[in-house]
Amino acid sequence: NAGVTQTPKFQVLKTGQSMTLQCAQDMNHNSMYWYRQDPGMGLRLIYYSASEGTTDKGEVPNGYNVSRLNKREFSLRLESAAPSQTSVYFCASIRASSIPYEQYFGPGTRLTVT
Amino acid sequence: DAKTTQPPSMDCAEGRAANLPCNHSTISGNEYVYWYRQIHSQGPQYIIHGLKNNETNEMASLIITEDRKSSTLILPHATLRDTAVYYCIVRSTGGATNKLIFGTGTLLAVQP
Repeated sequence: NAGVTQTPKFQVLKTGQSMTLQCAQDMNHNSMYWYRQDPGMGLRLIYYSASEGTTDKGEVPNGYNVSRLNKREFSLRLESAAPSQTSVYFCASIRASSIPYEQYFGPGTRLTVT
Repeated sequence: DAKTTQPPSMDCAEGRAANLPCNHSTISGNEYVYWYRQIHSQGPQYIIHGLKNNETNEMASLIITEDRKSSTLILPHATLRDTAVYYCIVRSTGGATNKLIFGTGTLLAVQP
């Protein structure tokens, strides 16, 4: 199992450009999540998908859109990137449907918007 | 979900036990205590969780006070590779969302 994979690992954008961050998991998990982490901060939830076909906003959804393409894949789109979106983005998925709801995280995408 | 309070940083000598405290005084009856850690630049990693009883696994032990208002994560023999930010998270298991709310955690620095 590859676990949770994210592409790209690094990206530099100019203000106003758009891009899509890709996330895939091969653990047959139902729920998937996108977080952002700014320097010196904890992770903040952007969007999540509790199950295939559903998506919901987290704490900081403004400026982002998501697509749950299928059970394996959950993408995050920045339509018009802003410097405030410079951050490290982590994708995660939840183990099974029972306690302890352990989340598995990907390695992260480091995004810089100039 | 209840909020947690952790010290911003701690030091520990290599080979000694690292005891990381967490206060969660507003925890409710159906909320679990979870611990994750984040080694520099990597995604967070699940360590352990508990409800009422003390728990132990291959990575760590979790001690929860009888009133459940605080807990301690114990790494019995800390190594340099345990240097990381440790997050204490309290959440319920109800609902389909399974969200984790991360604070700023405790930076544990294991010294040689």
